Amino acid sequence: DAKTTQPPSMDCAEGRAANLPCNHSTISGNEYVYWYRQIHSQGPQYIIHGLKNNETNEMASLIITEDRKSSTLILPHATLRDTAVYYCIVRVGTASKLTFGTGTRLQVTL
Amino acid sequence: NAGVTQTPKFRVLKTGQSMTLLCAQDMNHEYMYWYRQDPGMGLRLIHYSVGEGTTAKGEVPDGYNVSRLKKQNFLLGLESAAPSQTSVYFCASRSTPGQRYEQYFGPGTRLTVT
Repeated sequence: DAKTTQPPSMDCAEGRAANLPCNHSTISGNEYVYWYRQIHSQGPQYIIHGLKNNETNEMASLIITEDRKSSTLILPHATLRDTAVYYCIVRVGTASKLTFGTGTRLQVTL
Repeated sequence: NAGVTQTPKFRVLKTGQSMTLLCAQDMNHEYMYWYRQDPGMGLRLIHYSVGEGTTAKGEVPDGYNVSRLKKQNFLLGLESAAPSQTSVYFCASRSTPGQRYEQYFGPGTRLTVT
């Protein structure tokens, strides 16, 4: 699976959009980009995934660049409950495993 | 529908003792996983199973054994615990392969080996 690079930490004011970047410059054509988050001491939670088109669901939006070498997870109106570690993971479509890196610790403040 | 449950939630072991962690899921998922998470680190895959009666090694399998005798249960065993196995252990499950790769995680077991 392709390696991902994320900033170790970010801050965001409550009510503002949180934009979390991820670099995956070695991604190949059959690899998907997945985002999970882990709220303190809990198990990780799936957020969203995409292949090459931008995606949106009730939790977030995923923007993937045209060359697919990077992506951005957007939480449109961050709340204190969004404080968590966010993991960007690249996975081959048929693979049965995920590889978690160290992620980005997002701190949402008042 | 309880999702993924883990037993116990906390455990303290002495070096050399053995124990078994139980993971149970009620979603009829084929795939199950055991991870460990050390402080400040991401999750690392210990073992996983793609169906009843099957198991496979993950990234850090040494010192652990697993069994999947029933589809809904995945057991993680430590035969002779070591302080290096102090960690938080998470179990996860998912349905058969598909585009939406959503793993459902349990609440974790916090293990301390002294």
